Amino acid sequence: QVQLQESGPGLVKPSETLSLTCTVSGGSISSYYWSWIRQPPGKELEWIGYFHYSGSTNYNPSLKSRVTISVDTSKSQLSLKLNSVIAADTAVYYCARANCYYCYMDVWGKGTTVTVSS
Amino acid sequence: DIQMTQSPSTLSASVGDRVTITCRASQSISSWLAWYQQKPGKAPKLLIYKASSLESGVPSRFSGSGSGTEFILTISSLQPDDFATYYCQQYNSFPYTFGQGTKLEIK
Repeated sequence: QVQLQESGPGLVKPSETLSLTCTVSGGSISSYYWSWIRQPPGKELEWIGYFHYSGSTNYNPSLKSRVTISVDTSKSQLSLKLNSVIAADTAVYYCARANCYYCYMDVWGKGTTVTVSS
Repeated sequence: DIQMTQSPSTLSASVGDRVTITCRASQSISSWLAWYQQKPGKAPKLLIYKASSLESGVPSRFSGSGSGTEFILTISSLQPDDFATYYCQQYNSFPYTFGQGTKLEIK
């Protein structure tokens, strides 16, 4: 059964780059669409963007200028980079899998908390 | 962006109750709607996709209905494990958007 595990620094300084990794185990990273979603404390979920192993990407316009999502198939890892972070980027970050282009997300990681603070 | 609005924001109910949660989209999303359950400190869990299809392994007391702009999640007989926050999500178009959540509390 496929499992996802997010990892990365729990604390990032304002204006720096947030970098997270999602390791996929128990299944192939190919043929799926991989998303990052975040949830600020006490708030709703926000979709950040997705990456397909073919190289196709789609980002939330609200974050598009600061976000890069990529996949390393050799390591079965999905990565997220968010530039120029501010306090409002403080959130739990989740990676999740979808089976198709316009699709729900059927497998989620447990999430990792990132705090933006000096 | 398509705005998703859930009601109520909080719902108090007892074990055995039948409860419904409504999700409205700001424009038609056909049946491209999913429902998730989230417990404190945990990742969301997929319950329903394509508005009414039950995800494998999800108890049959959960059901979904609706199309276009109005959708309903029904729990036919609440169990202790069901007290959580529920989110709807549209995947009709990018960016995907979620409702603000409905917290289901024990009365």
